[in-house]
Amino acid sequence: DVKVTQSSRYLVKRTGEKVFLECVQDMDHENMFWYRQDPGLGLRLIYFSYDVKMKEKGDIPEGYSVSREKKERFSLILESASTNQTSMYLCASSRTGLRNQPQHFGDGTRLSIL
Amino acid sequence: KNEVEQSPQNLTAQEGEFITINCSYSVGISALHWLQQHPGGGIVSLFMLSSGKKKHGRLIATINIQEKHSSLHITASHPRDSAVYICAVIRNYGGATNKLIFGTGTLLAVQP
Repeated sequence: DVKVTQSSRYLVKRTGEKVFLECVQDMDHENMFWYRQDPGLGLRLIYFSYDVKMKEKGDIPEGYSVSREKKERFSLILESASTNQTSMYLCASSRTGLRNQPQHFGDGTRLSIL
Repeated sequence: KNEVEQSPQNLTAQEGEFITINCSYSVGISALHWLQQHPGGGIVSLFMLSSGKKKHGRLIATINIQEKHSSLHITASHPRDSAVYICAVIRNYGGATNKLIFGTGTLLAVQP
């Protein structure tokens, strides 16, 4: 089974801090994704990566950056955390090539910015 | 208007009832996911389908590409089915990366 592991289930940080969320997958997937999930809005794509050191902006990239130095690891960075970034963050991975490959999700990180 | 709409947003059922959750979308797609999210956050893929019908245990998913509509059915519902059910579509897209567009989810509570 595919395993997507997010480093923290719950995280509390202060406004202005630099925050790192880490995601690791063990199935050699090319694609990795970061989403945030908010009530009434569903999941929204922040950034995705289709290869090492490659990244593309999703629908809501403002205030975030990402890093993919190794194929198995995709990091989401909040450069200067703000209270409106309090949310549930979900990482996912998938294989590339065939279009209809399922995405596999981690358990999520519930981030609170005080 | 969202590109993926689910109904109902909230659903309460008694144990044993037959449950239907609907998903309509307005874009061309190559496939549709049904996902399940339990309290605490983790998301599990239940089905991915691009035509017809799929069945797994008490869960059945159908899709009508012409009508741009999909349904998720749960037969003989049980309290452990209580979760958020999310419809997500893979939009027709020129690249190899399968980006998803999500509905806002249906919160299902099955009471004993």
